[in-house]
Amino acid sequence: GENVGLHLPTLSVQEGDNSIINCAYSNSASDYFIWYKQESGKGPQFIIDIRSNMDKRQGQRVTVLLNKTVKHLSLQIAATQPGDSAVYFCAENTGGTGFQKLVFGTGTRLLVSP
Amino acid sequence: EAGVTQFPSHSVIEKGQTVTLRCDPISGHDNLYWYRRVMGKEIKFLLHFVKESKQDESGMPNNRFLAERTGGTYSTLKVQPAELEDSGVYFCASSHVGTAQRAEAFFGQGTRLTVV
Repeated sequence: GENVGLHLPTLSVQEGDNSIINCAYSNSASDYFIWYKQESGKGPQFIIDIRSNMDKRQGQRVTVLLNKTVKHLSLQIAATQPGDSAVYFCAENTGGTGFQKLVFGTGTRLLVSP
Repeated sequence: EAGVTQFPSHSVIEKGQTVTLRCDPISGHDNLYWYRRVMGKEIKFLLHFVKESKQDESGMPNNRFLAERTGGTYSTLKVQPAELEDSGVYFCASSHVGTAQRAEAFFGQGTRLTVV
């Protein structure tokens, strides 16, 4: 896949564990953040988003935490499954409401062992 | 509903040649974006169309890259002449024009371009 050969940080977990993936963003003016999952041979797939007026948002098995003081995002995946294995990207949207001009992080590879 | 489709999925061309990438957005999506990931780097924004108009092309690396979206439907990204450093994966994404809190961008599977 396209991520082969890239020196991505890797998080290895056992099936059933909780996973935490971290991301630092750069622009203190960014007001909207997104986590994407990218599987081999596919494009980034939306997982969950959060606006800057929130510090936590929960989805199905996923939670995003936002710390604006230190410009830090995290993605928590509960009861991680082998199908969660992928590269995860955080992105900050600099395009304003309704538009997506995304600045992506470098990505973290999640490996889930059965 | 069909997703964002990109063609070709892979392209290998020689330095100096021309390549044209195509993106078909989700039907009804006025916003269309091009991004790319060159080897070892992050996914980077290239440009943004609203219908047939270029809203923001600040990410286009140089004048060897030309994007068009005739009729506000599909888009093409032409690289002419291609250089070695253009190798990477080119992603297209589309979204509604929205006043909602978010207008989720749906990504295509990407076109892997290799310039040799």
